[in-house]
Amino acid sequence: DAGVIQSPRHEVTEMGQEVTLRCKPISGHNSLFWYRQTMMRGLELLIYFNNNVPIDDSGMPEDRFSAKMPNASFSTLKIQPSEPRDSAVYFCASSLRSVPLSSYNEQFFGPGTRLTVL
Amino acid sequence: AQSVTQLDSHVSVSEGTPVLLRCNYSSSYSPSLFWYVQHPNKGLQLLLKYTSAATLVKGINGFEAEFKKSETSFHLTKPSAHMSDAAEYFCVVSDQRSQGNLIFGKGTKLSVKP
Repeated sequence: DAGVIQSPRHEVTEMGQEVTLRCKPISGHNSLFWYRQTMMRGLELLIYFNNNVPIDDSGMPEDRFSAKMPNASFSTLKIQPSEPRDSAVYFCASSLRSVPLSSYNEQFFGPGTRLTVL
Repeated sequence: AQSVTQLDSHVSVSEGTPVLLRCNYSSSYSPSLFWYVQHPNKGLQLLLKYTSAATLVKGINGFEAEFKKSETSFHLTKPSAHMSDAAEYFCVVSDQRSQGNLIFGKGTKLSVKP
């Protein structure tokens, strides 16, 4: 298996531009997570999907951020308009969640997208 | 609420000496506990996991951790550090209250001196 795939690996953009980050989860996994990592705040969960449905987006910082999962093999995280404070590493992770929800859900992380907003 | 406290933000050891990275957790339920490692400019990799089986858990690269319920601890150890162990390590808790989602500690950066 190729693991979780993220693209692009690096993105440099100017303030005000739209940024789209992409993620392909591991085949067969039914949950997908978007995280943001910064020096100041560490790893933060932004949003997660279960069976392509957004379950909890309380970690999304503001309306400039949006995430979609149109099918089981693809998700996007969009920032519009981008700001310098959005500069961070964005990770996507996927897992196979059992029903009922279990306390054990190993998550597999992608390599991350390093975003720099100038 | 669940939480994880990594007691040291930075640990420095000499190559060949033991490693101890400390982690305390808070959970009202039977937790699952994990250690993830992140090498520079890389994603996170699962090092080991505890899921209510044996309290002493062995992971990859010679690391192990012991779940101590009475102390609410899950410290990570390795008998002999290698240069390639230099990385950031995250202690993580998950339980029914978090609906299986992972709660990350702030991380401990491990430096290994030659």
